[in-house]
Parts: sequence; C-alpha cells; structure tokens
Amino acid sequence: EAQVTQNPRYLITVTGKKLTVTCSQNMNHEYMSWYRQDPGLGLRQIYYSMNVEVTDKGDVPEGYKVSRKEKRNFPLILESPSPNQTSLYFCASRLTGSSTDTQYFGPGTRLTVL
Amino acid sequence: GDSVTQMEGPVTLSEEAFLTINCTYTATGYPSLFWYVQYPGEGLQLLLKATKADDKGSNKGFEATYRKETTSFHLEKGSVQVSDSAVYFCALSDLGNTDKLIFGTGTRLQVFP
Repeated sequence: EAQVTQNPRYLITVTGKKLTVTCSQNMNHEYMSWYRQDPGLGLRQIYYSMNVEVTDKGDVPEGYKVSRKEKRNFPLILESPSPNQTSLYFCASRLTGSSTDTQYFGPGTRLTVL
Repeated sequence: GDSVTQMEGPVTLSEEAFLTINCTYTATGYPSLFWYVQYPGEGLQLLLKATKADDKGSNKGFEATYRKETTSFHLEKGSVQVSDSAVYFCALSDLGNTDKLIFGTGTRLQVFP
C-alpha cells in the first residue's frame, strides 16, 4: 500500500531532550516536507527536500533540523525542544515539484514538550 | 504573499442537509487548489483538487469549482452524512519550487443524525 509513515505517533518529552521524528514514504517521491499544525493557524511548512541531500527552510524552521540521506526517509530533528514546539506534526511527500501534483500526508505525530 | 481564507467553524448540520464551506484565496499566478479532510485522530487526506480556472474537482459527493474571477474554491455537498464530520482544509500550491501548500485555518463540520 502506498503510504507515508511517521513514528512515533505520540511523544511526551521534556525541555532540552533531543528527539527525532521519523518519516518514510514508499512511493519513490522526490519531494518531502514537514508541517506543523496549530489551532487557528492551519498547517505551516517547516522544511522541505527536493531530493537526496537537498533540503531548504520553509516558513517556520527555527529550532528544527532535517536530513535526506535516502530518498524514502526524511527525519525531523529537534535538538533542544522547547514548550513552544508542542504541536501536531505532519510529514508529506509528492512525486515532483509540479504545483499540480498531490501531496500525500502521514498520520501525524503529536508532540508535547514539558 | 499568497494566502487562503476559510469560513470560521464549527459548521453544524443535520444529516441530509446541504453543505457549503467558503474558501477564497490570494495568489500571484494560477496555483492549483485543493481540499483536504482530516477525520478525528487521523492525518490529512486529499478530498479533491482543481488545477486550472473553471475546473471542477469532485469526490465522494463533494464538489468545488476553481473560480478565477472571484478567487474562490467553495466546497459543496448536496446531502451530508454523519460520517462527513471532520475538519476541512482549503489549500493552494505555491508556484515557487518550495513544495509548499498554503493552508487555510480549517473548518470543523459536525453532522448530527
């Protein structure tokens, strides 16, 4: 089944403790993105990647890192999480960069930083 | 910059009622337009899309028409079901090479029997 998977689905952590949220897609998509969803703000892009070893900042990149060492994987790294990073996070992938292509989303990771 | 504006929710309807969720956008150029749905506890699923002016996207009884003259992409369904209860997001695709979708804030739909 074609899908985007994320792990973990739920995570509670404390300020300053490094964490990684994994994302994997099995559709051979070139483009991948991370978004965060906050009440009243919709979804905002954190980082995106156009292909292996090619990443760039989205609208809200502060406090996050990403890497794209393999085409299928795009982990999101929080080196020193803070309470304002408590949010619902979505990974997404798209076949190409064409604006007509559909983005496919993972199931989400709910992160709470205490 | 580009933006999407959706009607505030929640929208509360009885089963079999007609649904409209308004969406307007501001964009330079001609982006593709999307409606995504988020069921409770789940991720976002594409509901429908339109890639050029006057295109109509449709799926599962939902429809939306890309109206360039009014910069709108309103979602409609003739007869809603309880199972349609979810949050609906309107989005447009950024035309730069950023892989970005620009989302509205979402509209919660609650359908009661």
